[in-house]
Amino acid sequence: DTGVSQDPRHKITKRGQNVTFRCDPISEHNRLYWYRQTLGQGPEFLTYFQNEAQLEKSRLLSDRFSAERPKGSFSTLEIQRTEQGDSAMYLCASSLQGQGSYEQYFGPGTRLTVT
Amino acid sequence: RKEVEQDPGPFNVPEGATVAFNCTYSNSASQSFFWYRQDCRKEPKLLMSVYSSGNEDGRFTAQLNRASQYISLLIRDSKLSDSATYLCVVFSGGYNKLIFGAGTRLAVHP
Repeated sequence: DTGVSQDPRHKITKRGQNVTFRCDPISEHNRLYWYRQTLGQGPEFLTYFQNEAQLEKSRLLSDRFSAERPKGSFSTLEIQRTEQGDSAMYLCASSLQGQGSYEQYFGPGTRLTVT
Repeated sequence: RKEVEQDPGPFNVPEGATVAFNCTYSNSASQSFFWYRQDCRKEPKLLMSVYSSGNEDGRFTAQLNRASQYISLLIRDSKLSDSATYLCVVFSGGYNKLIFGAGTRLAVHP
């Protein structure tokens, strides 16, 4: 399967714990995005990388959230001191920038439940 | 005001019906437009891009009206498998991100 993959698919954690999610984009894609989706809403942008550089972060991304893409391939999203309000689906998407196309392809998501 | 607005539905239609979804966006500088489909508890999947000249893909037709900042999706001959949430999506180059509407739910019944 050459699509976007995410791990884990589900995570249940207690409030105050740290969690880390991983995303592997489509191999030739140079842009990687993180979104968050809650029930009844569309995905909301969190941050994106072009290669290994993090170029933009949403105001939604509090200082408890950090994302990395150390070698310009896979990315990790860490949430420290989780809160119940962090419960959501965390989606990763990738795209190939530079060919006039802005289409993004999503992974299956990581569903986080904070108890 | 939300940047991308859609009627949440649900639209309940019989098989074979034609159904249309509308969407408006607020940023006149938006560059690209898409419809994504999302099944329950799954990731969004690209359904089609939307071009100013309008475009068609089988039973699906998308239209863009830049002057009115309005996007539409028409589904002809609805199938049970079309039941899903349809997300109107705008790419804003100034922000380098996709901006999603909240989605319109479609339920096709026998």
